[in-house]
Amino acid sequence: GAGVSQSPRYKVAKRGQDVALRCDPISGHVSLFWYQQALGQGPEFLTYFQNEAQLDKSGLPSDRFFAERPEGSVSTLKIQRTQQEDSAVYLCASSWDNNEQFFGPGTRLTVL
Amino acid sequence: GENVEQHPSTLSVQEGDSAVIKCTYSDSASNYFPWYKQELGKRPQLIIDIRSNVGEKKDQRIAVTLNKTAKHFSLHITETQPEDSAVYFCAASGGGQGAQKLVFGQGTRLTINP
Repeated sequence: GAGVSQSPRYKVAKRGQDVALRCDPISGHVSLFWYQQALGQGPEFLTYFQNEAQLDKSGLPSDRFFAERPEGSVSTLKIQRTQQEDSAVYLCASSWDNNEQFFGPGTRLTVL
Repeated sequence: GENVEQHPSTLSVQEGDSAVIKCTYSDSASNYFPWYKQELGKRPQLIIDIRSNVGEKKDQRIAVTLNKTAKHFSLHITETQPEDSAVYFCAASGGGQGAQKLVFGQGTRLTINP
């Protein structure tokens, strides 16, 4: 079946612009996670949804970052007033049983 | 919160030899330990995982061992092949608040020399 998909795959933004990154999880997966992966580093947790409820947003680096999953499937990660330090790959993962997480291909964000 | 340390950061082995990557974790409540393989520009892919009620798990050329007392776990790849070249990440989850998130190690770049 289809895996986790993300769009766009690449995004270039000028500093100060707003961006929206989309994640389509595996159908039926209850849990959805967002991670940020800087170059040469491991993924770092941003936020977690169980269905439409955002149960943990402790990893969001600032109030410029906002995530939603209004209908419990597709999720959007929004970054307002982007800064150069926001440049990274943003990975989405979904899970059925809250353990094994399946990752999407990521969105590579470059802020100029 | 949980902290995961991974060593070595780079590892180069001859084709056919074994490779071992080690991780330590800090939160004794963690109970799920996956290993992901990530090729350049690709998504992380789960290759094997282990839960805290098991000490060892094997899948063909890949095995993982867990020592809960010492809070460390290791990935073992035998009979390495060129296609094993990638970055490998260990992770831990299941402990305390926000139990679902994965905390990753820094990664090990494994190179298999033909």
